[in-house]
Amino acid sequence: EVQLVQSGAEVKKPGESLKISCKGSGYRFSNYWIAWVRQMPGKGLEWMGIIYPGDSHTRYSPPFQGQVTISADKSISTAYLQWSSLWASDTAIYYCATLGSGAAYIDYWGQGTLVTVSS
Amino acid sequence: EIVMTQFPATLFVSPGERAALSCRASQSITSNLAWYQQKPGQAPRLLIYGASTRAADIPARFSGSGSGTEFTLSISSLQSEDFAVYYCQQYNDWPRTFGQGTKVGIK
Repeated sequence: EVQLVQSGAEVKKPGESLKISCKGSGYRFSNYWIAWVRQMPGKGLEWMGIIYPGDSHTRYSPPFQGQVTISADKSISTAYLQWSSLWASDTAIYYCATLGSGAAYIDYWGQGTLVTVSS
Repeated sequence: EIVMTQFPATLFVSPGERAALSCRASQSITSNLAWYQQKPGQAPRLLIYGASTRAADIPARFSGSGSGTEFTLSISSLQSEDFAVYYCQQYNDWPRTFGQGTKVGIK
C-alpha cells in the first residue's frame, strides 16, 4: 500500500526558517516524482513544484521559484519542503503527493502539514 | 501558464440527482486532464485522469468527458458522500495548474 506520511503541524514566527517532510512507503520512492501542493485557508489547490528523488531533479511553478526549496533523500525515502524566511502569507496546509504517469497527475496524497506563521 | 476555469463555483443538487461540473482550459490540453474530490478536513482524492479514465476504486457514477479546452465531470446520482469540492488539473504543460474548484452542496 502506497503511503505518504507528513511531519506534524508547525507554528512559526515571521522570518523563521522551516523544513517539513514527507516519507514515502509501499513503493519504489526513487522512481516516482513527488509534488508539493499548497492550500491556503479556505482556498483552492496550488501546484508548487516537483522533485524526482532518483536524481533530485526539481521543477518549480513560477510563483514559488526562489521562495521555497524542494529536496529529497532517497536513502530514507523522504522528501522535504523548506523555507529560509517565513511570511504570514505562508500560512497554509501543504500536501506532498506522488505523481502518476510521469510528472502528470497526482495519484496518492499525504495527509497534509498545517503551517501557521504568526507573530 | 495554462489557466483552468471551473464553473459554476457552487452547485446545489438534491441527493439522487445528476450533477455536471465544467472545466475550461485557456488553450488546448488534448486529454491531459485530471479531476479530484476534496472533502472538508481531508486531502484531495484522484477521481479521473486522461479526461475520462476512472482511478482505482472510484464508483462508476463518476464519469469524465471532453478534450481540447472543454471538459465535464458528471456524477450520475449524487450520494451523500459526494458533497464536496471538485478540482480539475491540467498536465499538458508546465507549470501544472488547477482550477479554482466547484463546491457541490446539498439542495
